[in-house]
Amino acid sequence: GAGVSQSPRYKVAKRGQDVALRCDPISGHVSLFWYQQALGQGPEFLTYFQNEAQLDKSGLPSDRFFAERPEGSVSTLKIQRTQQEDSAVYLCASSPWVSGELFFGEGSRLTVL
Amino acid sequence: AQKVTQAQTEISVVEKEDVTLDCVYETRDTTYYLFWYKQPPSGELVFLIRRNSFDEQNEISGRYSWNFQKSTSSFNFTITASQVVDSAVYFCALSEASDTGRRALTFGSGTRLQVQP
Repeated sequence: GAGVSQSPRYKVAKRGQDVALRCDPISGHVSLFWYQQALGQGPEFLTYFQNEAQLDKSGLPSDRFFAERPEGSVSTLKIQRTQQEDSAVYLCASSPWVSGELFFGEGSRLTVL
Repeated sequence: AQKVTQAQTEISVVEKEDVTLDCVYETRDTTYYLFWYKQPPSGELVFLIRRNSFDEQNEISGRYSWNFQKSTSSFNFTITASQVVDSAVYFCALSEASDTGRRALTFGSGTRLQVQP
């Protein structure tokens, strides 16, 4: 499809397991964001890429969270040694230019048992 | 620091009623953008509108209208003649307008709108 694609849509992990969440932005989009949305809350900013450069990672909650976008297109959010508080929907959004409208994917729902 | 407050957690209306969703924001920036997004059960956030802080003209798009009042730091959203398909969670959001490399949106906690047939 032409939209932002995220996989997996659902992930169940045991506490302590590592997980990787993938985002395929709309082709050609320069900006890419990751957000974390806890149940019943609004999305909270995690990190921002402009092409392959990670310009802001101030929202990552701990050093267990790592994001990359090596070729300026697909991005991966990795969470190491998952904890129960990491359970949330992880949303990816992309934009065609620096100040453009954000297009969101459907999110990856992570449940940590 | 930026903050967005959506005091209405949940609103329930009957189809064809008008409904207003409130949004109050705080920012120290002199220029900024305000947004509304719709989140249906599928989870994808759907963009509805972006307003620049310099543009206080109200906007109407079909059954949707937005009232931006800088003096009260509010950006309210009205749906006229609501329909069942309008049922969703609606988020108000704020971002700085100048590009400093961080253009994160600060979201409110959302208002769940249920439109009953």
